[in-house]
Amino acid sequence: LAKTTQPISMDSYEGQEVNITCSHNNIATNDYITWYQQFPSQGPRFIIQGYKTKVTNEVASLFIPADRKSSTLSLPRVSLSDTAVYYCLVGDRGNTPLVFGKGTRLSVIA
Amino acid sequence: EPEVTQTPSHQVTQMGQEVILRCVPISNHLYFYWYRQILGQKVEFLVSFYNNEISEKSEIFDDQFSVERPDGSNFTLKIRSTKLEDSAMYFCASGSMTGLGYGYTFGSGTRLTVV
Repeated sequence: LAKTTQPISMDSYEGQEVNITCSHNNIATNDYITWYQQFPSQGPRFIIQGYKTKVTNEVASLFIPADRKSSTLSLPRVSLSDTAVYYCLVGDRGNTPLVFGKGTRLSVIA
Repeated sequence: EPEVTQTPSHQVTQMGQEVILRCVPISNHLYFYWYRQILGQKVEFLVSFYNNEISEKSEIFDDQFSVERPDGSNFTLKIRSTKLEDSAMYFCASGSMTGLGYGYTFGSGTRLTVV
């Protein structure tokens, strides 16, 4: 499984756009990039998944450059409730067990 | 939105006792998982289960652990003789393809405290 590297923590003010970048230099051809969100004392929650270019849903956008060696999760206009740990995971789009890193702890400040 | 339900939300047990953690996965999912998260640490994979048998397990999932799908809806994790280091949040998950891609739905977890 490709190893991922992301910042340990980030701070943001409410209403700002937050971009969290993840490096995955050894991503394989079959690998997809998936982001999860975890609130304290809750299970991780699937946010978004992509293979290349840009993916957008009602929660976030995911930008993936052509070389796919990194990806950026973009959260538009964050609120206090977006304070959570965000995990970037890389793996095939199947039932392979997820391997979580330490994630990025996002703190949104009023 | 369909949910994965876990019970109990919190379990306190004495060292050496057996515990059973219960999960009801989403009904049309076929793959089921247990993960754990020790306080302040990463979410760790324990075991995956498909077609009524273990499909993959981690080094953590030793002989003290077992999983079962006793009645076609519940999915249980049993720890035979708990140790202090088993204290953690235990998350059940089930997986399927969604409109957003292949995703896993996690339950809210069971906080296990071994004293």
